[in-house]
Amino acid sequence: AQKITQTQPGMFVQEKEAVTLDCTYDTSDPSYGLFWYKQPSSGEMIFLIYQGSYDQQNATEGRYSLNFQKARKSANLVISASQLGDSAMYFCPPGNLFFGTGTRLTVIP
Amino acid sequence: DTEVTQTPKHLVMGMTNKKSLKCEQHMGHRAMYWYKQKAKKPPELMFVYSYEKLSINESVPSRFSPECPNSSLLNLHLHALQPEDSALYLCASTSGNTEAFFGQGTRLTVV
Repeated sequence: AQKITQTQPGMFVQEKEAVTLDCTYDTSDPSYGLFWYKQPSSGEMIFLIYQGSYDQQNATEGRYSLNFQKARKSANLVISASQLGDSAMYFCPPGNLFFGTGTRLTVIP
Repeated sequence: DTEVTQTPKHLVMGMTNKKSLKCEQHMGHRAMYWYKQKAKKPPELMFVYSYEKLSINESVPSRFSPECPNSSLLNLHLHALQPEDSALYLCASTSGNTEAFFGQGTRLTVV
């Protein structure tokens, strides 16, 4: 069974500032990687970044980075230099199976 | 080709109709997924196919019937749906424990 907790239903950030979106997970399979996706209002699901469960280093991908704390089962997403196009719902499903409630990020000009 | 193509994009059907949703990918991915997403809610996993065999069925009602005719194609057959089944239906594929490629979805309305 999996449980994904995203405690921030909504977040606001000023354009060009950094923001951290929280994600904790509880999965019975320790091999599952952790994925982050964003879903704009248009509906498509867009892959952002991946953290392997056995990776020692935090994943980074352009403006996206993960603060991965395996012992705490958390993989928080850090978006640097926010852009208006970052406004969307954000999800962190372990193994691409079960989605938590998500965080709605709004970037303010 | 890194696309997952879903057809149709929109579908309106009556409660007595039979229709099918189609999902296609040509990336050689061996795992394919169906999700249902209601408005302002996260996607809910429905089915997972792995190597063309059904590996996960999340207790989905039998009025939804998945089919994987080959490794590139995934169908979802719909019969006797209810208005509460109206939702966005998303298909995705992966090559294993890697990122999922999602289709644009089929927006289904049951009247």
